[in-house]
Parts: sequence; C-alpha cells; structure tokens
Amino acid sequence: DARVTQTPRHKVTEMGQEVTMRCQPILGHNTVFWYRQTMMQGLELLAYFRNRAPLDDSGMPKDRFSAEMPDATLATLKIQPSEPRDSAVYFCASGLRGQGNEQFFGPGTRLTVL
Amino acid sequence: KNEVEQSPQNLTAQEGEFITINCSYSVGISALHWLQQHPGGGIVSLFMLSSGKKKHGRLIATINIQEKHSSLHITASHPRDSAVYICAVRVADKLIFGTGTRLQVFP
Repeated sequence: DARVTQTPRHKVTEMGQEVTMRCQPILGHNTVFWYRQTMMQGLELLAYFRNRAPLDDSGMPKDRFSAEMPDATLATLKIQPSEPRDSAVYFCASGLRGQGNEQFFGPGTRLTVL
Repeated sequence: KNEVEQSPQNLTAQEGEFITINCSYSVGISALHWLQQHPGGGIVSLFMLSSGKKKHGRLIATINIQEKHSSLHITASHPRDSAVYICAVRVADKLIFGTGTRLQVFP
C-alpha cells in the first residue's frame, strides 16, 4: 500500500528553535510538494521539487525556511528560527509528472511554536 | 478576490439528502481537483478533471471550462461523508486552493 509518510506527526517547540520536518514520497514519484495549512489562510503551496531539483519556492519565507531533497526518498523542510506564526499543519504531497499529475498527500505534521 | 471561490462555506444535511458544493475560479487552469479532508486531518484526492464529468460511487464531479465552474455532488449522503471538501485548481504544476466547504451529515 504505497503512501506518502511524514515525520514527526506532531511537534511542539519553543520560539527560536530549529524545526525539521521529513517526507518520504511514494516510490517512483518524481514531484514533491510542501504545503502549509492554517485556519486563516487555508492550504498554501510553499515549495516543490521535480527529480529532486527545486522548481519553485516562492511561497516560502526565505529568511527562515529551507527545503531540500537529499535523495529521491527524502524531502525535508526546515524552519530556523521558528516563530509562533509558523504554527500550522505542514503537508507533503507527491506525484508523477505525466501520469495525470494527481497528487497524493501525506498525513501532515502539526507544528506548534510556543 | 480569491482565485478560487467555494460555496457554501458550511453545509448541514440529513442523511440521504443530495448535496451540491460549488467551485468557481478566475484563472486559466489545466485541471481541477476535489479533495476531502476528514476531521483527523488527512487529505484524500477524490477527483481530478479537466472536462465533463466523473463519477465514483455516490460522488459525482462536473466541470464547465467555459464558465470556470465545477460542482461536487454527493447522492444519498451519509454521516461518514462529514468532512471538509476542498476545490483546487492546477495552474502549470501548482495547486491553488479554495477555502473549503465544511459538510456535516446527521443521521
């Protein structure tokens, strides 16, 4: 049963701390997306990769957020330093370009910054 | 004005009722997605369509490209259909999301 996995599922941290969220896309998928969901803004695209190369990170605050794909099985989203306004649910999704472009979402990481 | 507008924002129904959720968009798109988010938070893709109509079980999705409008219908609604339904349009590779419709179906 192929699915996108994300760790951790929940994270509570104090303002100023570094946060790292991890995503394992579905094997064989070549596109990975990071989304953020808040009550106020809903779902927003932060960044996405194709074949591990970043294609667009315009939705990400550049000064504190960074996204990488060290290899095809791992995508990371880091926040340093974290701030209370970063509290949200962060979703990773993966898909296969050219196969209908459907996206499969992970369960999300619920981040609370105190 | 948001690029993707959904209505209604909230919807309450009795079990068995026919439900319609609407989505209008203002940009050129390559496809439209309907997503379901359950109270536990997980997001599931229900449909992806670029023209016409698709059906899966009791769910039907339609799109009118000329009018830039899509509808999601649920026939014979059931309490397990209670969730947030999100419309998202695909522009190039990116998804732009509506704010969602919260549906509650009571027995």
